[in-house]
Amino acid sequence: LAKTTQPISMDSYEGQEVNITCSHNNIATNDYITWYQQFPSQGPRFIIQGYKTKVTNEVASLFIPADRKSSTLSLPRVSLSDTAVYYCLVGDMRKTGANNLFFGTGTRLTVIP
Amino acid sequence: DAGVTQSPTHLIKTRGQQVTLRCSPKSGHDTVSWYQQALGQGPQFIFQYYEEEERQRGNFPDRFSGHQFPNYSSELNVNALLLGDSALYLCASSLDAGGSYEQYFGPGTRLTVT
Repeated sequence: LAKTTQPISMDSYEGQEVNITCSHNNIATNDYITWYQQFPSQGPRFIIQGYKTKVTNEVASLFIPADRKSSTLSLPRVSLSDTAVYYCLVGDMRKTGANNLFFGTGTRLTVIP
Repeated sequence: DAGVTQSPTHLIKTRGQQVTLRCSPKSGHDTVSWYQQALGQGPQFIFQYYEEEERQRGNFPDRFSGHQFPNYSSELNVNALLLGDSALYLCASSLDAGGSYEQYFGPGTRLTVT
């Protein structure tokens, strides 16, 4: 099981770029890396997913080094509405076995005006 | 295109009772996963259903059971409720293809056990 380690919390000012790093030393060959965002009393929302190198979409970028033992979610020019908990997951949806889908406690990002 | 829907939104039950929560997946999705999220914690995986069968199960007792119907909707049943079962129960749907990890979550059902 490729469990993850993230900072518990981060603060950032509006308009800044925020980078949240996740460690996953035991990532398996077939595992994807996925990030979710969650606001209070709502379900998590998919942000971005990658396997290697760099992935970018309209919301964020995901940087994955060659050894894939870590990944960095980059949020450009954050706003107050980006205040949320961010979860890093690694795994393969189709693997069988208990506890394959592990969210952890996430990183609580607070954006300050 | 409707996303994942869950019912009810909130529920209050007494210890020892039984509860059934319902989930309709996003259109086109065939896999449903259930999670329990305690206050201040990340979601914990309960189980996953695909083709009307439980495919994966997390570390939850047999009091937690589920079902998936031919239209891919799903139910989560919890028997003999304990105070510790109070949590937000999340349903997530996905398409079983290529190891992609993209799941779409519903808004959750807030269960309070008194």
